[in-house]
Amino acid sequence: EVQLLESGGGLVQPGGSLRLSCAVSGFTFSTYAMSWVRQAPGKGLEWVSVISDSGANTNYADSVKGRFTISRDNSKNTLSLQMNSLRAEDTAVYYCAKVLWRNRHFDYWGQGTLVTVSS
Amino acid sequence: QTVVTQEPSFSVSPGGTVTLTCGLSSGSVSANYYPSWYQQTPGQAPRTLIYSTNTRSSGVPDRFSGSILGNKAALTITGAQADDESHYYCVLYMGGGISWVFGGGTKLTVL
Repeated sequence: EVQLLESGGGLVQPGGSLRLSCAVSGFTFSTYAMSWVRQAPGKGLEWVSVISDSGANTNYADSVKGRFTISRDNSKNTLSLQMNSLRAEDTAVYYCAKVLWRNRHFDYWGQGTLVTVSS
Repeated sequence: QTVVTQEPSFSVSPGGTVTLTCGLSSGSVSANYYPSWYQQTPGQAPRTLIYSTNTRSSGVPDRFSGSILGNKAALTITGAQADDESHYYCVLYMGGGISWVFGGGTKLTVL
C-alpha cells in the first residue's frame, strides 16, 4: 500500500524558516518524481515544486522560487521542502504527491501538514 | 500569466449528469496538456479521478469520465450520487519553467 506521510508543519513568524518532510512507503521511491502542492485555507490547490527521481532536476512555482528548496534522500525514502523567508501568503496545508511522469499527474497524495506564518 | 479556468460552482440533481470544464485563459486545452482531475472533500487530501484526459484512476467508478470538449478539458459525472458532492480540481501540465497549473476548482452540489 502506497503511503505518504508529511511532517514538520507548524507556526512560524514571517521571515522565518521551516523544513517539511514526507516519508513514503509502498513503492520504489527512487524511481518516481515527487512534488509538493499546497492549499491556503479556504482556497484551491497550488502546485509548488517538483523533483525528478534522481534529484538532479527540480522546478518551482514563481511564488516560491528562490525561497523554497525541494530535495530528496532516496536512501531514506524521504522528500523534503526547505522553506525560507516565509510570508503570510505561504500559510497553507502542504501535500506531498507522487508523480506518474509518463502521464504528468499526481497519482498518490499525503494527508498534508499545516504551515501557519504569523506573528 | 497562465490561468486555468473552471466554473466556481455547479449543481446537479441526484441521478443527473453534469459536465465540469477546464479551460485556458489564452488558447485551447488539448491532450498535450495531460489534463487531470482531482476530487476533494473538506478536510481531506485530494483524490485522483482522471489523468491523461480520459483515463480513470484505479478504483474510480465509471460514472466519472474525462474528455476534450471543444477547446476545454471536461469531467462528466453520469448518474450523480450524494457523495459526489465535493470540490473538483483540474490541473494542466505546462512543461518548461512552470510544470503544472491548477484551476480554481468547482464546488459541486448534489441536490
